[in-house]
Order: sequence, then structure tokens, then C-alpha cells
Amino acid sequence: QVQLVQSGTEVKTPGASVKVSCKASGYSFGMYGIGWVRQAPGQGLEWLGWIAPYNGNTNYTQHLQDRVTMTTDTSTSTAYMELRSLKSDDTAVYFCARRIASTGPTSPWFDPWGQGTLLIVSS
Amino acid sequence: QSVLTQPPSASGTPGQRVTISCSGASTNIGTNTVNWYRRLPGAAPKLLIYRDDRRPSGVPDRFSASKSGTSASLAISGLQSEDEADYYCATWDGGLSGLLFGGGTRLTVL
Repeated sequence: QVQLVQSGTEVKTPGASVKVSCKASGYSFGMYGIGWVRQAPGQGLEWLGWIAPYNGNTNYTQHLQDRVTMTTDTSTSTAYMELRSLKSDDTAVYFCARRIASTGPTSPWFDPWGQGTLLIVSS
Repeated sequence: QSVLTQPPSASGTPGQRVTISCSGASTNIGTNTVNWYRRLPGAAPKLLIYRDDRRPSGVPDRFSASKSGTSASLAISGLQSEDEADYYCATWDGGLSGLLFGGGTRLTVL
């Protein structure tokens, strides 16, 4: 079955960087994009961006695009999300998800999702 | 505050039908399709509805959705205790060039 498995909990100090991994299985990795979403404590879901593994094209949310980098390793079917210059506001659970899109004015959807990676940013 | 507006909470008794609304604008819901996700406590979000009203395989037909103009809604019939979760709408916004999530609605089964 299609599955995304993420790396474990990270604890970082302000100003540091973090790189979260997301290993895909059960489908052709290059056929679908990988999206990243986070949820801070007590908050809703926030889209961070996505990447197309077959060509490396990315689309980041505007307010994070100077601090986030998404990459993939097609040889291991793994996606990565690096976030730099961490702040306490970055404390959240980070999810990866397979991005599915169709033609026309349709919004891409995410299915399935990884189990989530907790990032704690604290001094 | 989210660009897509959802009621923060909703409730119903077992067997009832509840609806959750998602209000947007011409640049998002008015132009693009809407997807719905459910996040059970401690679990990853799960896709419930895509392209406004389509159910992925495995999602019961108790879940339905619709869209009109710049608003969308999710309906859950035959409410069950395991439906207690947070529900989110999502759509692309062409003006912001970004994917938006609603603020989420916490559903309580009384």
C-alpha cells in the first residue's frame, strides 16, 4: 500500500536548522509531487510547499521561501524538507503527503499523509 | 485568521446529520475545487473529499460535500462517536498563489 514514513522528533535551538525526511513506498515516486504541511500547537494546518520529484520543481509558501528548501532523492524515494534560522514559532508537527493533481482549475489534494514529525524549537 | 472561514466547532448526537461550512472568495473557492480532510486526535490528516464532492475509495458515503459560489460544505450523516475529529477545507488561491486551509472545525459527538 502507499505509505509515507517520516523521521523522528527533533529538538532544536533558535537559529539552528532542521531537515525532516519522508520515505515513500508503494507507488512510483516520480509520478506524484510531495507536499509539506505543518500544524503548530493549538493552530490549524498550514501549507509549506511542494516539490515534483521528476524534475525538482518547487513551490513554497511566500512567507517561508527564504528559509525553506525541499528536495528529493529519487534513488531512495525520499523527500526532504529543510527549515533554517529556526524560531520558536516553528514549533509544530510537520507532515509530508503525496500530492495529487489533475488538469483544469482544480486544487491539488494530499493522499496519503506521513505520520508527522514533531519539531520543538526551544532555548 | 484564515482566509477560508470555518466555524470553530460543531456538534451532534449519534445518528444525526451535521454540516460544516467553509467560506472563501472568488480567488479561491470561487475558482478552484475544494478538498476536505479529517484529523483524528493524535493521527495524521486523512483525505475525505476531493474535487468538491468526490470520495476516495474507502470513505463511507455518510460523508458528502458540495460547493456553491464562494462557499463549500461538508455533510456527515449517521453521526458516529468515531467521527469526533478536526475537519479542514482546503483550496488553491490564485491571488495568493498558495494552498489555503480553513481554520478547522472541531466536531463533538454528544
